[in-house]
Amino acid sequence: SQQGEEDPQALSIQEGENATMNCSYKTSINNLQWYRQNSGRGLVHLILIRSNEREKHSGRLRVTLDTSKKSSSLLITASRAADTASYFCATDPRLSYGGSQGNLIFGKGTKLSVKP
Amino acid sequence: DTEVTQTPKHLVMGMTNKKSLKCEQHMGHRAMYWYKQKAKKPPELMFVYSYEKLSINESVPSRFSPECPNSSLLNLHLHALQPEDSALYLCASSQDFRSTDTQYFGPGTRLTVL
Repeated sequence: SQQGEEDPQALSIQEGENATMNCSYKTSINNLQWYRQNSGRGLVHLILIRSNEREKHSGRLRVTLDTSKKSSSLLITASRAADTASYFCATDPRLSYGGSQGNLIFGKGTKLSVKP
Repeated sequence: DTEVTQTPKHLVMGMTNKKSLKCEQHMGHRAMYWYKQKAKKPPELMFVYSYEKLSINESVPSRFSPECPNSSLLNLHLHALQPEDSALYLCASSQDFRSTDTQYFGPGTRLTVL
């Protein structure tokens, strides 16, 4: 079943600009992760943010999490042509007793195109 | 070595064929996953193996049969597939079967069923 929904579905920007992608989800979560996928290739893990965290940074990436709105955003600053890829959020839904199923549920993804 | 390898890269098979996809990792990870990804869609979980035992089977049709011969290898046996099974099949592994563990993905096998 699908949990996360990213928007926009597609984003086209110029090199050097910032790119912001959003992810909304439906149920309470234990954590949320962002992955990147180059065309037709495997996914690469970018960053994990736990439900009790509000913001995390990794290099040019900044992730925020608002559990009250059930949403997260991924900001890529000073984008490069090499950032062109699809970006997926993946959530770990919290079970009724507070536990984890263990597996992730991926959102639909945002396709980012960075033009040189 | 943080690499997950998958073979073959591409596979074309008829509906009566039997074939296998292979996945290998040497990171000492104890959880391994099969995902199916259709074009412009997110990956969908098919199977999870934890400590070489099948932990999750997401109601996958029996024409897909997973096998975990040892902690480094994961196979997906294919038989009597349908054209709608054409997709990118991704293998992943993680340290353990915990959602906080980073999943490392292989490059995938592009499967076409004629």
